[in-house]
Amino acid sequence: EDQVTQSPEALRLQEGESSSLNCSYTVSGLRGLFWYRQDPGKGPEFLFTLYSAGEEKEKERLKATLTKKESFLHITAPKPEDSATYLCAVQVKGGSEKLVFGKGTKLTVNP
Amino acid sequence: GAGVSQSPRYKVAKRGQDVALRCDPISGHVSLFWYQQALGQGPEFLTYFQNEAQLDKSGLPSDRFFAERPEGSVSTLKIQRTQQEDSAVYLCASSPPWLLINEQFFGPGTRLTVL
Repeated sequence: EDQVTQSPEALRLQEGESSSLNCSYTVSGLRGLFWYRQDPGKGPEFLFTLYSAGEEKEKERLKATLTKKESFLHITAPKPEDSATYLCAVQVKGGSEKLVFGKGTKLTVNP
Repeated sequence: GAGVSQSPRYKVAKRGQDVALRCDPISGHVSLFWYQQALGQGPEFLTYFQNEAQLDKSGLPSDRFFAERPEGSVSTLKIQRTQQEDSAVYLCASSPPWLLINEQFFGPGTRLTVL
């Protein structure tokens, strides 16, 4: 069964304190791994897609990396506005286009 | 340009009532997805369409849930005889033709509360 596990469930950082969020996955074949940000009361907002091991993508203070078993979302010098829940999802090869999501990591950045 | 829109944003139903949730995808997007998100959880897949064809409905939890997209644009998720366990946020997403790019873009969701 395709599975996505995110850790930690919650993370509190001080402004400027860099850290990483983890997403480990078990799939029969990976078509793509997606990172989304979700603010309270809103729908998920697309951040990155990674397709193959070794790939990296960056956007402002965020950098996503991918290995054959997991992905990391690195947050460099976070600001309070980076506070949100970060969701990881996978799309599996050869099947439906559906996304299989993890439960998310709730990030709080204190000023 | 306009994103995915959903209506209503909030719906309160009494147990046993039928509800209909609407999704307007981004113009030109071929694929449309419905997800259910319980409090504190990640979204869970319900069903998806490519144009008007429903290609996967494996996530629909029971035969009380029904989705349609008759003209390949707007979609409606209908829940009959609502139960308390149906209380959740229902998210709609759309995606351009997959050969180009397959990110899914989400709407704001409809929060359903069943009393």
